[in-house]
Amino acid sequence: QVQLQESGPGLVKPSETLSLTCSVSGDSISRYYWNWIRQPAGKGLEWIGRIYVSGSTNYNPSLKSRVTMSIDAPKNQFSLKLTSVTATDTAVYYCVREGPIVDDAFDVWGQGTVVTVSS
Amino acid sequence: DIQLTQSPSFLSASVGDRVTITCRAGQGISSYLAWYQQKPGKAPRLLIYAASTLQSGVPSRFSGSGSGTEFTLTISSLQPEDFATYYCQQLHRYPVTFGQGTKLEIK
Repeated sequence: QVQLQESGPGLVKPSETLSLTCSVSGDSISRYYWNWIRQPAGKGLEWIGRIYVSGSTNYNPSLKSRVTMSIDAPKNQFSLKLTSVTATDTAVYYCVREGPIVDDAFDVWGQGTVVTVSS
Repeated sequence: DIQLTQSPSFLSASVGDRVTITCRAGQGISSYLAWYQQKPGKAPRLLIYAASTLQSGVPSRFSGSGSGTEFTLTISSLQPEDFATYYCQQLHRYPVTFGQGTKLEIK
């Protein structure tokens, strides 16, 4: 059974860089696209971007200038960096698998990690 | 970006009721639509993909329909565990976008 686990600092200072890692267990990271989604408290879901094992990425244009995703296939991990954060970046961040069997819908989600931007 | 508008945003219903949630896309998205259920403090759960295909393990009381710009999620007989927030998602074009959500509450 595939499981995803986000990790990283829960508190980031304004103007600094948010860094999160997602560890994948139960399957190879090389077979799928991997996404990051975020959700501010009490609000809806926002797609941040996705990455494939080749390093190919797609980012949300609204965040593209601040986002970098990377992948470490031997470690079965992928990562998110978001620069110059502000309070509006405070949210629960999810790492998510894009499933080709389900027409590229998002079929496996991590439990989410809360990131607060505050000094 | 392709905008998705869900209606209603809030829905109050009773156990055993049949409920329908609508998702309208700002432009045609063929059948590239998915539905998710989210409970408080939990990650979303995929219910339906390709507009009408039930994800493995999801109860058959959930169904989806539609194509193009109008889609529906129907729960045929509400169970206590179905009270949650529901989101539609389009996968036709990047960036992937979600509807604003429909909160289903107990009457």
